[in-house]
Amino acid sequence: DTEVTQTPKHLVMGMTNKKSLKCEQHMGHRAMYWYKQKAKKPPELMFVYSYEKLSINESVPSRFSPECPNSSLLNLHLHALQPEDSALYLCASSLKHLGDYGYTFGSGTRLTVV
Amino acid sequence: DAKTTQPTSMDCAEGRAANLPCNHSTISGNEYVYWYRQIHSQGPQYIIHGLKNNETNEMASLIITEDRKSSTLILPHATLRDTAVYYCIVRPDRGSTLGRLYFGRGTQLTVWP
Repeated sequence: DTEVTQTPKHLVMGMTNKKSLKCEQHMGHRAMYWYKQKAKKPPELMFVYSYEKLSINESVPSRFSPECPNSSLLNLHLHALQPEDSALYLCASSLKHLGDYGYTFGSGTRLTVV
Repeated sequence: DAKTTQPTSMDCAEGRAANLPCNHSTISGNEYVYWYRQIHSQGPQYIIHGLKNNETNEMASLIITEDRKSSTLILPHATLRDTAVYYCIVRPDRGSTLGRLYFGRGTQLTVWP
């Protein structure tokens, strides 16, 4: 298995809703990442998990809450989002965070906040 | 952090080689150069990376100048499916941003028939 799987592919949520994005990989990678990508912009790093521990938070608002239940799973819990949070949310993984390892990205979840 | 400079857009005829340049004049000795691409509405895809020597894999070749201040990604026989945004990234090897993969604006490569 050489893929990063993200679910759902599309999500529409209201500003008072709570939802979660899910990311899964079975490549034995010990680093996992969340990126956010607005239309016609490059991906922006949000969070880095290394060995199931949060190691980097790029000053992301608390309405985004990441979770890494085990080495294969990464969740992003969403609560009280704003319309400007609408974007493509990308998950990625790599063998380790530090070192010359390439990232494998999922296809993303396209989130619309209404 | 080493920054990269890439042309905003490039065109290439199908079947010809696509040569995508990247300048990284402030790169430090242990920083790797990575190339990713992103086809419309998909996640980025890792292509290749290198430190000092030229590298080749099934997708592309990476040529790094001797002074390491610039590099070129070569797609030897471009196809329509190679139309994508290509990102050249230098990963910091020190400081507060150690190891982070930051994307710049990249180069939009359009391959035409």
